[in-house]
Amino acid sequence: EAGVTQSPTHLIKTRGQQATLRCSPISGHTSVYWYQQALGLGLQFLLWYDEGEERNRGNFPPRFSGRQFPNYSSELNVNALELEDSALYLCASSPGGAGEQFFGPGTRLTVL
Amino acid sequence: AQKVTQAQTEISVVEKEDVTLDCVYETRDTTYYLFWYKQPPSGELVFLIRRNSFDEQNEISGRYSWNFQKSTSSFNFTITASQVVDSAVYFCALSDPIGSSNTGKLIFGQGTTLQVKP
Repeated sequence: EAGVTQSPTHLIKTRGQQATLRCSPISGHTSVYWYQQALGLGLQFLLWYDEGEERNRGNFPPRFSGRQFPNYSSELNVNALELEDSALYLCASSPGGAGEQFFGPGTRLTVL
Repeated sequence: AQKVTQAQTEISVVEKEDVTLDCVYETRDTTYYLFWYKQPPSGELVFLIRRNSFDEQNEISGRYSWNFQKSTSSFNFTITASQVVDSAVYFCALSDPIGSSNTGKLIFGQGTTLQVKP
């Protein structure tokens, strides 16, 4: 069974640009979660999507947004990039809204 | 507020030693899940175990064992006869309440970096 996949692996952007990160969940999983792992800040919850709807978002500004498609894959968009957005962005999926979350390999975003 | 504390930032052991990673959590919820994840240098978080708050039975899986004590709000992880491949960052995490008020969010500790030397 294929795990959670994320693309791209690495992304380099300059300040002010927009970044789009993609995630495909494990087959059969309807929930997708996004986390940010920035140096020194640990793993921070960003967003939760389930059945195409945004169910919850963490304490991040509105320039962090996303969506979930009918096939349950998801996209995370970060607008007006700032230097402190440089981080590893991890996507996870689960069969529903509780229980263990299975993580992908992450997208490393570097903002110059 | 929910919180997970992993007081050990870094641990270094020699291969074949036993090592225990500590995790202490805070929550007002009566039902919740606790987790351990492993993050090797590749970056992907690997799920290791989930524990329900109402199940305090200790669990063993090969060289891994977990000790959950609700009375002390601790969920410690022991690796027996450590190996070089165990070198990674280990995260303890706490979920929201099980049920309709679940927010999907996992609260992670800061992680413990384990280095196993040959």
